[in-house]
Amino acid sequence: QKEVEQNSGPLSVPEGAIASLNCTYSDRVSQSFFWYRQYSGKSPELIMSIYSNGDKEDGRFTAQLNKASQYVSLLIRDSQPSDSATYLCAVNEGYSTLTFGKGTMLLVSP
Amino acid sequence: DAGVTQSPTHLIKTRGQQVTLRCSPKSGHDTVSWYQQALGQGPQFIFQYYEEEERQRGNFPDRFSGHQFPNYSSELNVNALLLGDSALYLCASSLGQGHSNQPQHFGDGTRLSIL
Repeated sequence: QKEVEQNSGPLSVPEGAIASLNCTYSDRVSQSFFWYRQYSGKSPELIMSIYSNGDKEDGRFTAQLNKASQYVSLLIRDSQPSDSATYLCAVNEGYSTLTFGKGTMLLVSP
Repeated sequence: DAGVTQSPTHLIKTRGQQVTLRCSPKSGHDTVSWYQQALGQGPQFIFQYYEEEERQRGNFPDRFSGHQFPNYSSELNVNALLLGDSALYLCASSLGQGHSNQPQHFGDGTRLSIL
């Protein structure tokens, strides 16, 4: 059974702080990894993809991948109240089919 | 550039009924995947259609079936509805052959409630 694990949270950070979201996965052959943001009652929105070990930065977001440790993380710098949402970690199981974690709820307080 | 579109947005059914949900993929995409998201859970993969064939299937019973049309749009059918089928049903599209690592883009979903 392929699994993706995330802390459910909520993770509470003050405005302007760095939010750190973590994810572990069980399938060593997984090739690609994604972070989706989901606002309450809405559908998931892709915010980051990462395919190789190391860091990938896009604006205020940085994704980090360590395949040896089977670990993916997302850092959000200068967190804003509008970043308050559930963040879903997803792992590609082949043919672009995704296995999702349950998501981590992030709350950014003004 | 049209994104993934789903219809209807909301649906209420009773136990034992049948339902059909519809999805049009993002322009240029040829692969459609369906996911079920229960409240407080991450989306769970139901199945994927490519070239009008079911290419991959998750751990869902045969009551869940689908179809893909020549224009790449897709339908999800659920028979003999159970209370536990109440969920947000998400359609996602992507590029198929030779693009197995491409990200999926989601539609707004259909909220299905079973009474």
